[in-house]
Amino acid sequence: DTGVSQDPRHKITKRGQNVTFRCDPISEHNRLYWYRQTLGQGPEFLTYFQNEAQLEKSRLLSDRFSAERPKGSFSTLEIQRTEQGDSAMYLCASSLAGGRETQYFGPGTRLLVL
Amino acid sequence: AQSVSQHNHHVILSEAASLELGCNYSYGGTVNLFWYVQYPGQHLQLLLKYFSGDPLVKGIKGFEAEFIKSKFSFNLRKPSVQWSDTAEYFCAVNAPEYGNKLVFGAGTILRVKS
Repeated sequence: DTGVSQDPRHKITKRGQNVTFRCDPISEHNRLYWYRQTLGQGPEFLTYFQNEAQLEKSRLLSDRFSAERPKGSFSTLEIQRTEQGDSAMYLCASSLAGGRETQYFGPGTRLLVL
Repeated sequence: AQSVSQHNHHVILSEAASLELGCNYSYGGTVNLFWYVQYPGQHLQLLLKYFSGDPLVKGIKGFEAEFIKSKFSFNLRKPSVQWSDTAEYFCAVNAPEYGNKLVFGAGTILRVKS
């Protein structure tokens, strides 16, 4: 399978702990996106990278959130000092930069903060 | 800010019934439009997309959508649904002037009774 992969698929943590998620995009895709989805809502944009450069961050991305894509391939999303409100599905998508860009989504990481 | 509205959160249909799911967006400039589907236990998959040209676009599994610019709408249709169409459907909009992110509606959960 050469789609977008995410790891882990599920994460349960206690409030105050740090968590890190990984996303591996489709291999030739140079853009990588992070979204967050809560129950009953559609995905909400968090941030995106073109190659290793982080080009846009949403206001949803508080100081406790940081994302990296050090070599322009996989990306990590870290949440520090987790709060119960961080419980959500974290989705990664990738695409090829261009005028008719289509984003392809991974299976997501479901985070539960106790 | 851009927003996307999906009119029905839950739809229940019998097999062979016709389907129309509404989607309206708030942005008046150039838009790229998408419908994604999430089958139970699976990740978001692209159903169809519109960038330009013929406003009636056809996607996978017999789905189609019509872009009506004057109504800011991109409704999804299928003439005859099957039990296997049971899923959650998301409309998403990209306004290139505001970057590359997708703005999603809240989703419509479709249940098809066999």
